[in-house]
Amino acid sequence: DARVTQTPRHKVTEMGQEVTMRCQPILGHNTVFWYRQTMMQGLELLAYFRNRAPLDDSGMPKDRFSAEMPDATLATLKIQPSEPRDSAVYFCASGGTGVSNQPQHFGDGTRLSIL
Amino acid sequence: GDSVTQMEGPVTLSEEAFLTINCTYTATGYPSLFWYVQYPGEGLQLLLKATKADDKGSNKGFEATYRKETTSFHLEKGSVQVSDSAVYFCALSDRARGADGLTFGKGTHLIIQP
Repeated sequence: DARVTQTPRHKVTEMGQEVTMRCQPILGHNTVFWYRQTMMQGLELLAYFRNRAPLDDSGMPKDRFSAEMPDATLATLKIQPSEPRDSAVYFCASGGTGVSNQPQHFGDGTRLSIL
Repeated sequence: GDSVTQMEGPVTLSEEAFLTINCTYTATGYPSLFWYVQYPGEGLQLLLKATKADDKGSNKGFEATYRKETTSFHLEKGSVQVSDSAVYFCALSDRARGADGLTFGKGTHLIIQP
């Protein structure tokens, strides 16, 4: 069964440190999404890529967050410097195109705690 | 912008009871509608979807019908099981206007008691 893989599953670090989260999308999927889940805000779209090009990052705080796709098998989300309000679960999802409205497949998330 | 509203939880039911979780949406275009389920410590799994008005999505005994006139996509199941306990999210995407990302409701925590 093809899966989206996220690493690390858990990350605890101190305020001000750089955090990097990684995602391996399902092979053959050309669209990758980053979401953030918090109790207060629920699930929010941060950014997404198609064919490794960023299409929308309007949900992402630009001053400290950055998202990239160095190659088709790896997406990264970085926070520098991290702040306690960044504590959340970060999900990566991937999907295909060619058939309209392909459902997104989610990874198990990275649970981030900033002290 | 687009938005999704679903009933607050937790919803507590006994096994074999009938389930309805309400979901309504606001969208500027003609969205596709989804229900996702999240089990503790896991990511979201697609439960069912509908892409046009009057479509019915169904999976594992769950159903939801795309009602454009009432902008609703309520989730139903005739007889719930303890294993259905999870958080359920209603979501939409509007690819027709280039918005591929999902807009989610806040989620409804469902608890099924034996």
